[in-house]
Amino acid sequence: EAQVTQNPRYLITVTGKKLTVTCSQNMNHEYMSWYRQDPGLGLRQIYYSMNVEVTDKGDVPEGYKVSRKEKRNFPLILESPSPNQTSLYFCASAGGVRDIQYFGAGTRLSVL
Amino acid sequence: AQTVTQSQPEMSVQEAETVTLSCTYDTSESDYYLFWYKQPPSRQMILVIRQEAYKQQNATENRFSVNFQKAAKSFSLKISDSQLGDAAMYFCAYRRASGGSYIPTFGRGTSLIVHP
Repeated sequence: EAQVTQNPRYLITVTGKKLTVTCSQNMNHEYMSWYRQDPGLGLRQIYYSMNVEVTDKGDVPEGYKVSRKEKRNFPLILESPSPNQTSLYFCASAGGVRDIQYFGAGTRLSVL
Repeated sequence: AQTVTQSQPEMSVQEAETVTLSCTYDTSESDYYLFWYKQPPSRQMILVIRQEAYKQQNATENRFSVNFQKAAKSFSLKISDSQLGDAAMYFCAYRRASGGSYIPTFGRGTSLIVHP
């Protein structure tokens, strides 16, 4: 089954404690991206990747890091989380620039 | 930068009636894609319908159809025969067809309430 898998689905952490949200897709997609969703703001782009070892900043990259060492994985790293990063996070992938995006189920992060 | 505007934070409709959700966007591109996504309480993002800008014909998927007005940069979603399961947050999204960032820009969403 074609899918984008995010882990964990829920995470509660404290300020400053490094964390990683994993994202994996099994469709051999080249394009992967991360969004955050906040009430009243819709989905905003954090980072995206158009191929292995190629990543670019989206609209709200501050406080986040990503890596794309292999095609299937695109982890989101928060080196020093802060409460303003409490949000719902989505990973997505697409096979090409004209392909539709497939979304993961979302990760609800709370930073205390 | 492209922007997507959904001017209706919330809409309501009676079951079996028709509702239209509005979306406008700003772009200087001529080739692009427009999408409507549905996000039910499960939070999963579900693609409802997609429109390619170079196609003049409005996209339709069962009870969902769009009114695409390219010159006006408007892309509204019409839901016919509304069902309780249509209650969700709906997001309009824009994506350029070539060059630069391929990933969509989303509007802020419209919450659709369906009354029985």
